[in-house]
Amino acid sequence: EAQVTQNPRYLITVTGKKLTVTCSQNMNHEYMSWYRQDPGLGLRQIYYSMNVEVTDKGDVPEGYKVSRKEKRNFPLILESPSPNQTSLYFCASSLSPGVMDQPQHFGDGTRLSIL
Amino acid sequence: GESVGLHLPTLSVQEGDNSIINCAYSNSASDYFIWYKQESGKGPQFIIDIRSNMDKRQGQRVTVLLNKTVKHLSLQIAATQPGDSAVYFCAENNGSNFGNEKLTFGTGTRLTIIP
Repeated sequence: EAQVTQNPRYLITVTGKKLTVTCSQNMNHEYMSWYRQDPGLGLRQIYYSMNVEVTDKGDVPEGYKVSRKEKRNFPLILESPSPNQTSLYFCASSLSPGVMDQPQHFGDGTRLSIL
Repeated sequence: GESVGLHLPTLSVQEGDNSIINCAYSNSASDYFIWYKQESGKGPQFIIDIRSNMDKRQGQRVTVLLNKTVKHLSLQIAATQPGDSAVYFCAENNGSNFGNEKLTFGTGTRLTIIP
């Protein structure tokens, strides 16, 4: 089954404690992206990757890092999490941006609470 | 209808009726638009997309209409079913790239189907 898998699904942690949210896709997609979703603000893009070793900033990259060492994985790293990073995070992937009917497939989300 | 930054609007429709969800976009350079559906506890799910050289596109029970003159996008759902209850998002690519590697999402509209 084609899917985007995020782990963990839920995490409560404390300020300053480094954490990584993993994202893996089994569709051989070149493009992957991370979003955060906050009430009243919708989905905002954090980082995206067009292919292995190619990453770029989205609209809200501050406080986050990513890496793309393999095609299937795109982890999101919070080196020193802060309470304003409490949010619902989504990873997405697509075959190739801009191709009609080849949209981004989303994972089911990771809810992070930073105390 | 929804727009970036506004409070989440709601729409209630009787089961079996048609529904129309509206979206105003701000960037006249945007040339690719997508509608997503998000059910509670899940990630966004692709519904339909459209390019700016099109006025209308139809899928199964859904139709997207694009009016570039007034920068307006709508999603029509025919013969609504209880499973259509969800939050619906529009997204645009801001014309900054060929496709959708950088998307701007609206805040969403909550559709409730009344049995």
